[in-house]
Amino acid sequence: SQQGEEDPQALSIQEGENATMNCSYKTSINNLQWYRQNSGRGLVHLILIRSNEREKHSGRLRVTLDTSKKSSSLLITASRAADTASYFCARNTPLVFGKGTRLSVIA
Amino acid sequence: DAEITQSPRHKITETGRQVTLACHQTWNHNNMFWYRQDLGHGLRLIHYSYGVHDTNKGEVSDGYSVSRSNTEDLPLTLESAASSQTSVYFCASSESVGTVYGYTFGSGTRLTVV
Repeated sequence: SQQGEEDPQALSIQEGENATMNCSYKTSINNLQWYRQNSGRGLVHLILIRSNEREKHSGRLRVTLDTSKKSSSLLITASRAADTASYFCARNTPLVFGKGTRLSVIA
Repeated sequence: DAEITQSPRHKITETGRQVTLACHQTWNHNNMFWYRQDLGHGLRLIHYSYGVHDTNKGEVSDGYSVSRSNTEDLPLTLESAASSQTSVYFCASSESVGTVYGYTFGSGTRLTVV
């Protein structure tokens, strides 16, 4: 399987704290994407980082990419209860998804 | 506004029956994809299409088929439903070949095979 691994599988934090999720993969990439899935809903595209980029920001989201270690991380700063969801990394064409990290933000 | 719509949202069917799940997008995207989501497996690719009359098999294509007769629709057919095909099915579309752009997902169809 080409699936990568997200780590941790589940994460529970208090509102206002930062949440960090990691993604590892095995094959070379052109870019890597992160998605969010709220319970019972479809996935929503959050951010795309290209293989020649090391860091990218979008609002409270910060994504880093280390191609030498074949890993990426998603940081959500100042988390809110509304950030409670599953987060997936994805890469390749067509997209291959990891199994996701379930984030719970407790108010 | 452009959208991607899946129907039905929920379906229960019997083992051995043929079932078709609909996916319709008004984004005018060339690329369309079908995934299934199961606990412990994440999302797995079933079939995909890069344009009209183009179809390709994904990681878990056995027992499924698709056809692409126009840009807007990519129906997924389960030829003879099996209990192992109980899952949540997601359709997605994207603007270009490759992953320069993110995918837009539908809300999913929850299929139960009894």
